[in-house]
Amino acid sequence: DAKTTQPPSMDCAEGRAANLPCNHSTISGNEYVYWYRQIHSQGPQYIIHGLKNNETNEMASLIITEDRKSSTLILPHATLRDTAVYYCIVRVGYNYGQNFVFGPGTRLSVLP
Amino acid sequence: DTGVSQDPRHKITKRGQNVTFRCDPISEHNRLYWYRQTLGQGPEFLTYFQNEAQLEKSRLLSDRFSAERPKGSFSTLEIQRTEQGDSAMYLCASSLRQSATNEKLFFGSGTQLSVL
Repeated sequence: DAKTTQPPSMDCAEGRAANLPCNHSTISGNEYVYWYRQIHSQGPQYIIHGLKNNETNEMASLIITEDRKSSTLILPHATLRDTAVYYCIVRVGYNYGQNFVFGPGTRLSVLP
Repeated sequence: DTGVSQDPRHKITKRGQNVTFRCDPISEHNRLYWYRQTLGQGPEFLTYFQNEAQLEKSRLLSDRFSAERPKGSFSTLEIQRTEQGDSAMYLCASSLRQSATNEKLFFGSGTQLSVL
């Protein structure tokens, strides 16, 4: 089972920041938080990942709380093309399997 | 295009038939994953390879399913005696494993299977 919980859906106005929350209260010390998104009819796309420090790249910013029990993905200026399902994933352990476990994600709708 | 390539994009088959899907990963990626996704759900892990070795299989991968990666490059996923419940999007992903906890998956566009 996924180790994260996310709201099932969110709306955001075009041009505004989209803040997508994720809870991962059972995260272990060596587990990274990953974010992927999936646009309709395509495979998931990597966005960003982090361990404990905040991260930023050309797509988004990732804010991880100090206790690492939750995180927020920030899309600073959402566009209509950011409408997608966003998945927050905690890597399932270090030695047990090496697979990524996806939950149902958050369906983000960017509105004009 | 040097991304992950899957073939075919769509497959319609009759119940009881066998089907085979192909995945070509990004060149030099040593890991290859198969996932299955049904409508409204996130992708579900099926199996993964490191080079040619199949290292883990999900309990979702019944004995009707078999995956191979014979030369550590492309992979095939075969479903024998298809059932209507096999209808789903089958996704392939590849990665370059540099460390166990700092790995990025790159996904293909998937093969949509419909079993009639």
